[in-house]
Amino acid sequence: GQNIDQPTEMTATEGAIVQINCTYQTSGFNGLFWYQQHAGEAPTFLSYNVLDGLEEKGRFSSFLSRSKGYSYLLLKELQMKDSASYLCAVKDSNYQLIWGAGTKLIIKP
Amino acid sequence: IAGITQAPTSQILAAGRRMTLRCTQDMRHNAMYWYRQDLGLGLRLIHYSNTAGTTGKGEVPDGYSVSRANTDDFPLTLASAVPSQTSVYFCASSYAADSTDTQYFGPGTRLTVL
Repeated sequence: GQNIDQPTEMTATEGAIVQINCTYQTSGFNGLFWYQQHAGEAPTFLSYNVLDGLEEKGRFSSFLSRSKGYSYLLLKELQMKDSASYLCAVKDSNYQLIWGAGTKLIIKP
Repeated sequence: IAGITQAPTSQILAAGRRMTLRCTQDMRHNAMYWYRQDLGLGLRLIHYSNTAGTTGKGEVPDGYSVSRANTDDFPLTLASAVPSQTSVYFCASSYAADSTDTQYFGPGTRLTVL
Protein backbone atom coordinates (compact mmCIF):
# COMPACT_ATOMS: atom_id res chain seq x y z
CA GLY A 1 0.00 0.00 0.00
CA GLN A 2 0.91 3.64 -0.19
CA ASN A 3 2.03 5.41 2.94
CA ILE A 4 3.22 8.85 3.99
CA ASP A 5 4.62 9.24 7.53
CA GLN A 6 5.28 12.46 9.38
CA PRO A 7 5.33 13.34 13.09
CA THR A 8 1.96 14.24 14.58
CA GLU A 9 3.12 17.28 16.52
CA MET A 10 6.24 19.36 17.10
CA THR A 11 7.02 22.30 19.35
CA ALA A 12 9.62 24.99 18.71
CA THR A 13 10.59 28.42 19.99
CA GLU A 14 10.09 31.72 18.20
CA GLY A 15 13.25 32.67 16.30
CA ALA A 16 14.58 29.11 16.21
CA ILE A 17 14.86 26.53 13.40
CA VAL A 18 12.70 23.43 13.04
CA GLN A 19 12.89 20.46 10.69
CA ILE A 20 9.77 18.46 9.83
CA ASN A 21 10.48 15.03 8.37
CA CYS A 22 8.43 13.03 5.91
CA THR A 23 9.00 9.47 4.71
CA TYR A 24 7.03 7.88 1.93
CA GLN A 25 6.30 4.60 0.18
CA THR A 26 4.24 5.08 -2.95
CA SER A 27 3.48 3.46 -6.28
CA GLY A 28 5.69 5.62 -8.43
CA PHE A 29 6.93 9.11 -7.80
CA ASN A 30 6.11 12.31 -9.64
CA GLY A 31 7.15 14.86 -7.07
CA LEU A 32 6.73 15.74 -3.41
CA PHE A 33 4.77 18.73 -2.15
CA TRP A 34 4.63 20.58 1.15
CA TYR A 35 1.55 22.54 2.11
CA GLN A 36 0.80 24.75 5.10
CA GLN A 37 -2.62 24.66 6.72
CA HIS A 38 -3.69 27.06 9.44
CA ALA A 39 -6.48 25.87 11.71
CA GLY A 40 -9.86 26.16 10.04
CA GLU A 41 -8.38 27.15 6.70
CA ALA A 42 -7.47 25.53 3.39
CA PRO A 43 -4.04 24.06 2.63
CA THR A 44 -1.73 26.46 0.78
CA PHE A 45 1.22 25.44 -1.35
CA LEU A 46 4.72 25.88 0.10
CA SER A 47 7.19 23.88 -1.98
CA TYR A 48 7.73 21.20 -4.58
CA ASN A 49 10.64 18.80 -5.08
CA VAL A 50 11.08 16.30 -7.89
CA LEU A 51 14.89 16.04 -8.00
CA ASP A 52 17.20 15.17 -5.11
CA GLY A 53 18.53 18.09 -3.18
CA LEU A 54 17.55 21.25 -1.39
CA GLU A 55 15.10 23.87 -2.63
CA GLU A 56 15.26 27.18 -0.79
CA LYS A 57 12.49 29.74 -0.71
CA GLY A 58 13.01 32.52 1.81
CA ARG A 59 12.74 31.19 5.36
CA PHE A 60 11.51 27.83 4.11
CA SER A 61 13.60 25.09 2.51
CA SER A 62 12.65 21.59 1.40
CA PHE A 63 14.94 18.63 0.84
CA LEU A 64 14.36 15.40 -1.08
CA SER A 65 16.15 12.07 -1.26
CA ARG A 66 14.31 9.78 -3.67
CA SER A 67 16.55 6.77 -2.94
CA LYS A 68 15.65 6.99 0.76
CA GLY A 69 11.99 7.95 0.26
CA TYR A 70 12.62 10.93 2.50
CA SER A 71 12.00 14.64 2.60
CA TYR A 72 12.15 17.39 5.16
CA LEU A 73 10.83 20.91 5.45
CA LEU A 74 13.15 23.35 7.23
CA LEU A 75 11.71 26.51 8.73
CA LYS A 76 14.14 29.19 9.87
CA GLU A 77 13.67 32.28 12.05
CA LEU A 78 10.36 30.95 13.29
CA GLN A 79 7.54 33.41 13.76
CA MET A 80 4.31 32.98 15.71
CA LYS A 81 2.38 32.99 12.43
CA ASP A 82 4.21 29.78 11.45
CA SER A 83 2.04 27.91 13.95
CA ALA A 84 0.09 25.63 11.62
CA SER A 85 -0.07 22.10 10.28
CA TYR A 86 2.39 21.12 7.59
CA LEU A 87 1.24 18.52 5.10
CA CYS A 88 3.53 16.30 3.05
CA ALA A 89 2.10 14.83 -0.17
CA VAL A 90 3.54 12.67 -2.95
CA LYS A 91 2.25 12.48 -6.49
CA ASP A 92 2.13 8.79 -7.45
CA SER A 93 2.38 7.04 -10.82
CA ASN A 94 -1.25 7.98 -11.60
CA TYR A 95 -0.50 11.63 -10.78
CA GLN A 96 -2.76 11.43 -7.74
CA LEU A 97 -1.61 13.13 -4.55
CA ILE A 98 -1.13 10.84 -1.56
CA TRP A 99 -1.23 12.84 1.67
CA GLY A 100 0.33 12.45 5.08
CA ALA A 101 -1.79 13.20 8.14
CA GLY A 102 0.12 16.41 8.76
CA THR A 103 2.45 17.75 11.45
CA LYS A 104 1.02 20.30 13.86
CA LEU A 105 3.73 22.84 14.65
CA ILE A 106 3.36 24.81 17.87
CA ILE A 107 5.52 27.91 18.25
CA LYS A 108 6.19 29.18 21.76
CA PRO A 109 7.42 32.71 22.55
CA ILE B 1 -14.53 35.46 -8.20
CA ALA B 2 -10.82 34.94 -7.67
CA GLY B 3 -9.55 31.37 -7.33
CA ILE B 4 -11.84 28.69 -5.99
CA THR B 5 -15.07 29.19 -4.10
CA GLN B 6 -17.12 26.62 -2.22
CA ALA B 7 -20.65 26.73 -0.86
CA PRO B 8 -21.99 26.39 1.69
CA THR B 9 -19.33 27.27 4.27
CA SER B 10 -20.92 24.89 6.74
CA GLN B 11 -24.02 22.75 6.95
CA ILE B 12 -25.80 20.54 9.44
CA LEU B 13 -27.73 17.81 7.71
CA ALA B 14 -30.11 15.08 8.86
CA ALA B 15 -29.13 11.54 7.96
CA GLY B 16 -30.82 10.32 4.81
CA ARG B 17 -31.06 13.76 3.23
CA ARG B 18 -29.56 14.63 -0.14
CA MET B 19 -26.92 17.37 -0.27
CA THR B 20 -24.87 19.03 -3.00
CA LEU B 21 -21.65 20.84 -2.21
CA ARG B 22 -20.76 23.44 -4.80
CA CYS B 23 -17.31 24.29 -6.16
CA THR B 24 -16.45 26.92 -8.77
CA GLN B 25 -13.05 28.05 -10.07
CA ASP B 26 -12.19 30.91 -12.40
CA MET B 27 -8.59 29.97 -13.17
CA ARG B 28 -9.50 27.94 -16.27
CA HIS B 29 -7.91 24.90 -14.67
CA ASN B 30 -8.58 21.64 -16.45
CA ALA B 31 -8.40 19.32 -13.43
CA MET B 32 -10.56 19.46 -10.32
CA TYR B 33 -10.69 17.35 -7.17
CA TRP B 34 -12.81 16.68 -4.11
CA TYR B 35 -11.13 15.69 -0.82
CA ARG B 36 -12.38 15.03 2.65
CA GLN B 37 -10.27 15.82 5.70
CA ASP B 38 -10.83 14.03 9.00
CA LEU B 39 -8.94 14.51 12.25
CA GLY B 40 -5.81 12.38 12.37
CA LEU B 41 -6.04 11.37 8.74
CA GLY B 42 -4.53 12.84 5.63
CA LEU B 43 -6.64 14.38 2.92
CA ARG B 44 -8.43 11.60 1.06
CA LEU B 45 -9.48 11.91 -2.56
CA ILE B 46 -13.17 11.28 -3.20
CA HIS B 47 -13.56 11.99 -6.92
CA TYR B 48 -11.62 13.87 -9.55
CA SER B 49 -12.05 15.25 -13.04
CA ASN B 50 -9.13 15.59 -15.44
CA THR B 51 -11.12 17.70 -17.88
CA ALA B 52 -14.68 18.87 -18.48
CA GLY B 53 -16.95 15.95 -19.31
CA THR B 54 -14.86 13.30 -17.53
CA THR B 55 -14.77 12.12 -13.92
CA GLY B 56 -12.98 9.41 -11.96
CA LYS B 57 -13.13 7.69 -8.59
CA GLY B 58 -10.61 8.39 -5.89
CA GLU B 59 -9.76 6.54 -2.69
CA VAL B 60 -13.14 6.96 -0.93
CA PRO B 61 -15.89 7.40 -3.57
CA ASP B 62 -18.73 5.38 -2.00
CA GLY B 63 -21.79 7.47 -1.16
CA TYR B 64 -20.67 10.40 -3.33
CA SER B 65 -21.19 11.40 -6.93
CA VAL B 66 -19.85 14.22 -9.10
CA SER B 67 -20.42 15.81 -12.47
CA ARG B 68 -18.31 18.11 -14.65
CA ALA B 69 -20.57 19.78 -17.19
CA ASN B 70 -18.16 22.66 -17.79
CA THR B 71 -14.63 23.79 -16.89
CA ASP B 72 -15.59 25.98 -13.96
CA ASP B 73 -17.98 23.89 -11.85
CA PHE B 74 -17.52 20.59 -10.03
CA PRO B 75 -20.40 19.81 -7.64
CA LEU B 76 -20.24 16.93 -5.15
CA THR B 77 -23.51 15.19 -4.23
CA LEU B 78 -24.29 13.01 -1.24
CA ALA B 79 -27.36 11.06 -2.31
CA SER B 80 -28.36 9.93 1.18
CA ALA B 81 -26.12 11.32 3.89
CA VAL B 82 -24.81 9.17 6.74
CA PRO B 83 -23.05 10.26 9.97
CA SER B 84 -19.70 8.87 8.75
CA GLN B 85 -19.76 11.55 6.05
CA THR B 86 -19.32 14.21 8.73
CA SER B 87 -16.10 15.88 7.64
CA VAL B 88 -14.50 18.95 6.13
CA TYR B 89 -14.69 18.86 2.35
CA PHE B 90 -12.15 20.64 0.17
CA CYS B 91 -12.37 21.25 -3.53
CA ALA B 92 -9.09 21.78 -5.40
CA SER B 93 -7.97 22.46 -8.95
CA SER B 94 -4.82 22.33 -11.04
CA TYR B 95 -3.94 23.38 -14.58
CA ALA B 96 -3.46 19.79 -15.70
CA ALA B 97 -3.84 16.38 -14.11
CA ASP B 98 -1.06 14.43 -15.79
CA SER B 99 1.71 16.71 -14.68
CA THR B 100 3.42 17.99 -11.60
CA ASP B 101 1.17 21.04 -11.39
CA THR B 102 0.30 22.41 -8.00
CA GLN B 103 -3.21 21.94 -6.65
CA TYR B 104 -4.98 25.00 -5.27
CA PHE B 105 -7.66 24.61 -2.64
CA GLY B 106 -11.00 26.22 -1.94
CA PRO B 107 -11.89 27.37 1.60
CA GLY B 108 -13.73 24.16 2.47
CA THR B 109 -17.21 23.11 3.58
CA ARG B 110 -17.71 21.81 7.10
CA LEU B 111 -20.48 19.21 6.98
CA THR B 112 -22.13 17.60 10.00
CA VAL B 113 -24.55 14.70 9.47
CA LEU B 114 -26.75 13.88 12.43
